[in-house]
Amino acid sequence: KNQVEQSPQSLIILEGKNCTLQCNYTVSPFSNLRWYKQDTGRGPVSLTIMTFSENTKSNGRYTATLDADTKQSSLHITASQLSDSASYICVVRANNLFFGTGTRLTVIP
Amino acid sequence: KAGVTQTPRYLIKTRGQQVTLSCSPISGHRSVSWYQQTPGQGLQFLFEYFSETQRNKGNFPGRFSGRQFSNSRSEMNVSTLELGDSALYLCASSLDSRWEQYFGPGTRLTVT
Repeated sequence: KNQVEQSPQSLIILEGKNCTLQCNYTVSPFSNLRWYKQDTGRGPVSLTIMTFSENTKSNGRYTATLDADTKQSSLHITASQLSDSASYICVVRANNLFFGTGTRLTVIP
Repeated sequence: KAGVTQTPRYLIKTRGQQVTLSCSPISGHRSVSWYQQTPGQGLQFLFEYFSETQRNKGNFPGRFSGRQFSNSRSEMNVSTLELGDSALYLCASSLDSRWEQYFGPGTRLTVT
């Protein structure tokens, strides 16, 4: 069964700290994996996209990793800011798109 | 370049009514996908249209329907609304389904 699971469901961290979000998938045939950031009441915005051959990709303070063998991805946020408070959604493309339910990150001062 | 626009942004309906939501994709994008997002279920795929043809369909009842016009604008319709249809409905456009999707701000539908 094609599934995308994210952990943790929610996370609260202090401003300036780092954090890592996890995404495990059982989707096949794998095409690519995206991380999206979704602010409350807004549509998701793409942060990174990774294909089978890529194992690390950065976008500013966001760094995504992909281990295609274990079917795991992580999103690492460095030096968190209040504006990082949002939901982070992992999406895996096979023949269709499969969405994780997201991790709700709250950054507090 | 203008982004994906959705109208209306907010909508309140009562059970049994029907509703039509509109999505205007980014200029040049021919693929439009619709998603339902609820706190418990996350994003769920409704359907995708490409060049006025429905190309993919998710696992939703027939009360949910859509269409795409020749200018790539898309509408989705929900008939006989139920309380469980309360959700954020997101539209995403792309050049084609294998390219990056760009999401609109969504329409928040509340069914009372």
